[in-house]
Amino acid sequence: QSVLTQPPSASGSPGQSVTISCTGTSSDVGGYNYVSWYQQHPGKAPKLMIFEVSKRPSGVPDRFSGSKSGNTASLTVSGLQAEDEADYYCSSYGGSNNVVFGGGTTLTV
Amino acid sequence: EVQLVESGGGSVQPGGSLRLSCVASGFTFSDFWMSWVRQAPGKGLEWVANIKHDGSDTFYVDSVKGRFTISRDNAKNSVFLQMNSLRAEDTAVYYCARAAAAASRDYWGQGTLVTVSS
Repeated sequence: QSVLTQPPSASGSPGQSVTISCTGTSSDVGGYNYVSWYQQHPGKAPKLMIFEVSKRPSGVPDRFSGSKSGNTASLTVSGLQAEDEADYYCSSYGGSNNVVFGGGTTLTV
Repeated sequence: EVQLVESGGGSVQPGGSLRLSCVASGFTFSDFWMSWVRQAPGKGLEWVANIKHDGSDTFYVDSVKGRFTISRDNAKNSVFLQMNSLRAEDTAVYYCARAAAAASRDYWGQGTLVTVSS
C-alpha cells in the first residue's frame, strides 16, 4: 500500500485538460514543497515531469503544471495529446531522509 | 548526455544474494546523491535507498534495512546495491536514479529485473 494516494485512473479527450491528485499528510506532501511527478510509459523508465511542486525540468512541455494545497498535490495536463497517455506517479520527501511515492494513475487519452 | 546503466539482475532463491551495479556517465558523478528505486511487476514505484555524493551517509526504506546496502565508487562513476536475505516481495525492476533538487530524481536507468523465487 502506497503512502501517497492517487486515483487509479484518469481520462480525457485530445485537447482537453485533466488533473491528477496526490494526497498525503502533513508529514510529507503538506510539510514540504518537495513534490515531484513522474511519467512512465509501458516498459520504460520513469521521467521527471515536475519537481518542487510546480517547476518543470528543461524539455518538459508547459502543458504540464503542478500545484499544492494543504496535504494534496495536483498535476494538470492541458491540451491533452496522444503521447501523454501513460502512468503518472507523485512523490514527496517524507522527512528523515525518506522518499514516498503514490500508487500511480493511468492516464487514458 | 546523462546515462545510467544498471546490471546484475537475475533470478535467485529466497534467502539468496545479488549485487546490482549502475554505471553513470555524462555528468560529474561525485557531485550527486544517488538512489535505487524499485517497481514490482504491475505495481507502483518504491524508493529503496539513497547515498550521499561522497558516500558518507546512506538511507533506506524500512523494509530493506539490515538486508540491503547501497555503496558507491566515485573513481568508477558507479553505485551499487548489495541485496542479502532476499524475499519473494523483493521481486521487482530496480532502477538507478540520480537524486536532484528537493528529493526528485531527474535521470533514471533502464532498470534491471530481480526475481526471487524457489
